[in-house]
Amino acid sequence: DTEVTQTPKHLVMGMTNKKSLKCEQHMGHRAMYWYKQKAKKPPELMFVYSYEKLSINESVPSRFSPECPNSSLLNLHLHALQPEDSALYLCASSQGTSGGLAYEQYFGPGTRLTVT
Amino acid sequence: AQRVTQPEKLLSVFKGAPVELKCNYSYSGSPELFWYVQYSRQRLQLLLRHISRESIKGFTADLNKGETSFHLKKPFAQEEDSAMYYCALLIQGAQKLVFGQGTRLTINP
Repeated sequence: DTEVTQTPKHLVMGMTNKKSLKCEQHMGHRAMYWYKQKAKKPPELMFVYSYEKLSINESVPSRFSPECPNSSLLNLHLHALQPEDSALYLCASSQGTSGGLAYEQYFGPGTRLTVT
Repeated sequence: AQRVTQPEKLLSVFKGAPVELKCNYSYSGSPELFWYVQYSRQRLQLLLRHISRESIKGFTADLNKGETSFHLKKPFAQEEDSAMYYCALLIQGAQKLVFGQGTRLTINP
């Protein structure tokens, strides 16, 4: 399996809802990422997990809460979102870094989130 | 500051014509650069990385440290090359990709 999968594909939620986005990879990658992509804009990094530990939080508001239950899974818990949080949320994974060589990131198809 | 600049939001060329998508970067460390492509209704996927020096789908990109550039080139464009192209810089140690704003390439028949 050489793909990153994400569920759901689409999600509509109200500002008081709690929902979760899920990401899975079975490539043995040890680094996983969450990106946010607004329409006609490039992806922007939100979080990086390395060996199941949070290594980077790009000053993301606490209404976004990441979780890495194991090396294959990455969740993004959402609570009390705002309409401006509507975007495509991308998950990615990579082998991480080794001996100074960084490996490419493989992206999932994304979850299109609409906050009403 | 780390930054990637793609000066062209849109680029349109005719089939069979040469293509060059520009990318410039600003980075104090040793740069590691990538080109990612996103075809219509498909996921973002890696096209090239400078360290491998490969040619993928006829595309090449050479890192020019003097000009801080990593332009993507193809001698003869094909209609299936129409897509959004992103240049990306990897921040060493942080495993963080910084993307340029992207160039939407359209190949006209």
